[in-house]
Amino acid sequence: GENVEQHPSTLSVQEGDSAVIKCTYSDSASNYFPWYKQELGKRPQLIIDIRSNVGEKKDQRIAVTLNKTAKHFSLHITETQPEDSAVYFCAVASLGELSFGAGTTVTVRA
Amino acid sequence: ETGVTQTPRHLVMGMTNKKSLKCEQHLGHNAMYWYKQSAKKPLELMFVYSLEERVENNSVPSRFSPECPNSSHLFLHLHTLQPEDSALYLCASSQVAPGAVSGNTIYFGEGSWLTVV
Repeated sequence: GENVEQHPSTLSVQEGDSAVIKCTYSDSASNYFPWYKQELGKRPQLIIDIRSNVGEKKDQRIAVTLNKTAKHFSLHITETQPEDSAVYFCAVASLGELSFGAGTTVTVRA
Repeated sequence: ETGVTQTPRHLVMGMTNKKSLKCEQHLGHNAMYWYKQSAKKPLELMFVYSLEERVENNSVPSRFSPECPNSSHLFLHLHTLQPEDSALYLCASSQVAPGAVSGNTIYFGEGSWLTVV
């Protein structure tokens, strides 16, 4: 699979602040970039995704930006809330096969 | 959401035991996957089945043996496991198999927590 690096590995933010997670990838042919959220003891669930022909996508408080030239994409969570605390995984699809980042543990402090 | 269901949710087994994990998807998908999730590591793809045929095996030890009797069911047979095999095993499904189309969203089951003692 492709090499996907995700940073930071842990992120603590004050409730109401923004959180940003960044992933880099190596295969320039990659064309699909989903983000998954995994709450403690639960399954990873798709929260947002972006395709290679789009630079930015937003869904309420979450957004994803893609820089194909630099081969990186980021997840942005605004106005964070306690329920945003979870592990977030980025993934990259190349020829349809998904490779995952190592995950970012996000903790939102009340 | 019960699109992909896994049983058992928790399993403790000895190194000489034989057990199986079961996965069932109710989404009408044609591809199914087994992933291994260990602490602080990326999700590791173990096996991929497309229309009941195995299309990928990522150098997984033979003590893990998958079985896909139909497009809705997937098993992972376990025998003579090692303590380092303790992990969360996630089943997933997607509409089509990798390589067939871009933007192939994967849907995960709740996972089976495996502890090898």
